[in-house]
Amino acid sequence: DAKTTQPNSMESNEEEPVHLPCNHSTISGTDYIHWYRQLPSQGPEYVIHGLTSNVNNRMASLAIAEDRKSSTLILHRATLRDAAVYYCILRGDYGGSQGNLIFGKGTKLSVKP
Amino acid sequence: GAVVSQHPSRVICKSGTSVKIECRSLDFQATTMFWYRQFPKQSLMLMATSNEGSKATYEQGVEKDKFLINHASLTLSTLTVTSAHPEDSSFYICSAMGPDTQYFGPGTRLTVL
Repeated sequence: DAKTTQPNSMESNEEEPVHLPCNHSTISGTDYIHWYRQLPSQGPEYVIHGLTSNVNNRMASLAIAEDRKSSTLILHRATLRDAAVYYCILRGDYGGSQGNLIFGKGTKLSVKP
Repeated sequence: GAVVSQHPSRVICKSGTSVKIECRSLDFQATTMFWYRQFPKQSLMLMATSNEGSKATYEQGVEKDKFLINHASLTLSTLTVTSAHPEDSSFYICSAMGPDTQYFGPGTRLTVL
């Protein structure tokens, strides 16, 4: 799996949008971009994933650059419960490899009331 | 989303004893499950990949005789930490390959005295 680069930490104010960036300049054509988040003392929680087009779900939006070398996870209105470590992970074709996810250090998001 | 459970959530044991951790996919079948370990303030590290009906594949540096993995059914994988020592104290997290991505359990906090 290709490597990703994320800021170590970010701060946000409650009820404001948050844009979490991720660089993945060595992404291959079959790599999906996955985002997970981990709250303290819990297992990672799936947030969203995409390949080329922007994706939206009830938790967040994923904006993928046209060249796919970067992506941004967008939380539309941050709440205190969104404070977590956010991981951006690349994974090859889902049906091909064993599918293990390799975690980097992620971005620790703090949300201020 | 898909649900993965782990049991127990927390265990404290004496040095030299063995501890078994169960990982279950509750609403889907998982041919492949994964076991991760996370030390304080660090990211998740993949320990092994567990395939139903076959031997697990261990990552480099992980002792297969110490961390026994059994994946006897499509919904259950177990990790047994044999002859546990204080340095094995960690947060153990399993995940299961779901229909479109990987889903994680809530984790098991192991403390070896």
